[in-house]
Amino acid sequence: QQQVKQSPQSLIVQKGGISIINCAYENTAFDYFPWYQQFPGKGPALLIAIRPDVSEKKEGRFTISFNKSAKQFSLHIMDSQPGDSATYFCAASISTNAGKSTFGDGTTLTVKP
Amino acid sequence: KAGVTQTPRYLIKTRGQQVTLSCSPISGHRSVSWYQQTPGQGLQFLFEYFSETQRNKGNFPGRFSGRQFSNSRSEMNVSTLELGDSALYLCASSRRRAANEQFFGPGTRLTVL
Repeated sequence: QQQVKQSPQSLIVQKGGISIINCAYENTAFDYFPWYQQFPGKGPALLIAIRPDVSEKKEGRFTISFNKSAKQFSLHIMDSQPGDSATYFCAASISTNAGKSTFGDGTTLTVKP
Repeated sequence: KAGVTQTPRYLIKTRGQQVTLSCSPISGHRSVSWYQQTPGQGLQFLFEYFSETQRNKGNFPGRFSGRQFSNSRSEMNVSTLELGDSALYLCASSRRRAANEQFFGPGTRLTVL
């Protein structure tokens, strides 16, 4: 049973465009939803995270939108740059079980110059 | 502050052998989690340690084990290696008060021949 479903699997965006990656979860006990960015040969790096008491969080060009009733959340990358080309993972965890994160399958983003 | 370090970075073993991987968390972080990353299965949770105690365990066979030392450094061991154990093994650390916020190391790339 896949608890966190991520789409699309791959995404190609022009420089300056908006990249949107979506995730859906099943377990309503999840209360922490981070996004990670991973470059080849590196470990995932925490990008931005949200808790279900807010519907949106913005940090620079990165925004998380959260829809609790639909059990969905998404990452928006504004003004996408070639340096943003990486694999992005959504994840979810439960605060009482915080060291265990459940990850989506990842989205490979390519930003064309 | 130094990040999470993992040693070795690359390892080649043959079937049936055993392997030990090491992880040093960020200074002050007491929680260490291990994940296996493969192209087919994505990021899968192995186990989590806090204060030298295993707090969570994923759905992996008993060949996978770990431990944590009093200085929060952690090791994971895989015995009787199988071809399917070839993967990137990632370690993540977090602070007790923000345990959801995980910081990943670069990983150990294990190849089983």
